[in-house]
Amino acid sequence: DSGVTQTPKHLITATGQRVTLRCSPRSGDLSVYWYQQSLDQGLQFLIQYYNGEERAKGNILERFSAQQFPDLHSELNLSSLELGDSALYFCASSVGRGQGYNSPLHFGNGTRLTVT
Amino acid sequence: GNSVTQMEGPVTLSEEAFLTINCTYTATGYPSLFWYVQYPGEGLQLLLKATKADDKGSNKGFEATYRKETTSFHLEKGSVQVSDSAVYFCALVFSGGYNKLIFGAGTRLAVHP
Repeated sequence: DSGVTQTPKHLITATGQRVTLRCSPRSGDLSVYWYQQSLDQGLQFLIQYYNGEERAKGNILERFSAQQFPDLHSELNLSSLELGDSALYFCASSVGRGQGYNSPLHFGNGTRLTVT
Repeated sequence: GNSVTQMEGPVTLSEEAFLTINCTYTATGYPSLFWYVQYPGEGLQLLLKATKADDKGSNKGFEATYRKETTSFHLEKGSVQVSDSAVYFCALVFSGGYNKLIFGAGTRLAVHP
């Protein structure tokens, strides 16, 4: 058990809809990261928050947004959903600002999003 | 730019066979190197890591040696088990300041009894 909790485990929704994915980081970790994993594009970094503030952006679409709350849990909001957004969305956490040798990532089990 | 290249899968082996999954990297500088493993239905887990040339990371019978001269970090295991069936990701990161893990595409391993 990594200590990172993601809800829900599965989500099925229609095109054009909006969904919110939730992540609780491992106790003591201040950074939260969101990744998208799809068959055709592999593991894509979306965004990182550190102690409530956005720290880095990756390949995140403008239709997607995220935030980290004072209790350090994070939410990823996906709007105007398209079929191509179907994927596994992972949250990860680490103790430090970066993903270095002494601050490895701990991943949740993911949320599987299916857009129909 | 910085990147990680892994051998394409799937790799299919019989139980107790020797495993090698190749990983090479392109980087400006000297990154730390990692192997993550993703079991079915789960997130990625850190398997092993190495921070400098000639370091050997090891865990659960898996090993990988940081080879600066060949920019490689190949994953090996002497005798695989069915329970090792998973997807394996090689990754690199630079220490200091902001840093971001760069993952390879992943290699699927299937071990048959």
